[in-house]
Amino acid sequence: EDQVTQSPEALRLQEGESSSLNCSYTVSGLRGLFWYRQDPGKGPEFLFTLYSAGEEKEKERLKATLTKKESFLHITAPKPEDSATYLCAVPGGGNKLTFGTGTQLKVEL
Amino acid sequence: DAGVIQSPRHEVTEMGQEVTLRCKPISGHDYLFWYRQTMMRGLELLIYFNNNVPIDDSGMPEDRFSAKMPNASFSTLKIQPSEPRDSAVYFCASSLRDGFNQPQHFGDGTRLSIL
Repeated sequence: EDQVTQSPEALRLQEGESSSLNCSYTVSGLRGLFWYRQDPGKGPEFLFTLYSAGEEKEKERLKATLTKKESFLHITAPKPEDSATYLCAVPGGGNKLTFGTGTQLKVEL
Repeated sequence: DAGVIQSPRHEVTEMGQEVTLRCKPISGHDYLFWYRQTMMRGLELLIYFNNNVPIDDSGMPEDRFSAKMPNASFSTLKIQPSEPRDSAVYFCASSLRDGFNQPQHFGDGTRLSIL
């Protein structure tokens, strides 16, 4: 059974304080990994897809990386508007995604 | 472009009542998904459709839950009778075919409270 574990569960940063979120997975035959951002009262919003170990994707202050066992979402010099819950997911059979429980990020001034 | 549209945004009802949640996927998307999100269990896939046909309903918790997709632009998730433990946020998502390369796009959910 596919499993996705995210850490930490919650993270509080000062504005400008860089950090990383972790997503470790157990899946038979990785076919990609997705990162989403979820704001309170909203649905998850797609950020990145990574397909193979060594791949990196960037968007503004976010950079996602992938190894054979885990993915990292690096946040460089975060701002308060980066506060959200970040979810990762891996595709299983068919078009089904298994989601992690997310990391709740709070960036303070 | 219009995203995935869900209605209602909030629903409060009493135990035993029938609840119907609605979803309009993004035009042209072949896949439609229904998820449930709770603090304890996170996002769980309930059922998904491909070209209006249910493909996998193994995540539907009980026979009280049913879902239909009568056409490419509309789907419903029904709970009858509802119970307090059904309280959660229900999301609908859609994606293009070739799902491994195409992300799922989510609506803003229906927050359901069963009293």
